[in-house]
Amino acid sequence: DTAVSQTPKYLVTQMGNDKSIKCEQNLGHDTMYWYKQDSKKFLKIMFSYNNKELIINETVPNRFSPKSPDKAHLNLHINSLELGDSAVYFCASSQAGGGEKLFFGSGTQLSVL
Amino acid sequence: DAKTTQPPSMDCAEGRAANLPCNHSTISGNEYVYWYRQIHSQGPQYIIHGLKNNETNEMASLIITEDRKSSTLILPHATLRDTAVYYCIDPEYGNKLVFGAGTILRVKS
Repeated sequence: DTAVSQTPKYLVTQMGNDKSIKCEQNLGHDTMYWYKQDSKKFLKIMFSYNNKELIINETVPNRFSPKSPDKAHLNLHINSLELGDSAVYFCASSQAGGGEKLFFGSGTQLSVL
Repeated sequence: DAKTTQPPSMDCAEGRAANLPCNHSTISGNEYVYWYRQIHSQGPQYIIHGLKNNETNEMASLIITEDRKSSTLILPHATLRDTAVYYCIDPEYGNKLVFGAGTILRVKS
């Protein structure tokens, strides 16, 4: 069983569209994250949720809105997509109090045309 | 920006030990140093972490200098599947992991 799973793996869409990426973890972890990896391969944290509550919110356009229906899920909604949003988005999870041992999903490659 | 410094790339012969250095001169006394790697087209993978004692697990060993300003990740017998980008991380405030550019390790047969 995949510990942290993201869907879809690939997402190609037009500018201006609204899209969502889903993430689920079956590890029983309390904390989930979204990271963005741009074309230069730098990984940057976007959001972190602990038990459905937002705890880290980096300088991310408000077109990006995370939603956590329960602690096993953290979805990422992106409105009015722009060319610069093209990147690979990674979901991750960790156990509260478990330090920074994160388990990452395999990524969603978003291409905005 | 990341608080660590790593060489941009290294080569290693298959079967030999790969020693990846990292400088983290501003690390606080109670902060751990973490190592992750990212194999092409995959998500980052946790390898090991340590505070001040040397650590070993099934994947690697971590040697931390006494002043804690640098560390070395050791893959004792590198294989082709160890070719990846290796990240050394000194967490930011709020326990955020900030990934730098890392070291591209190429294991060659």
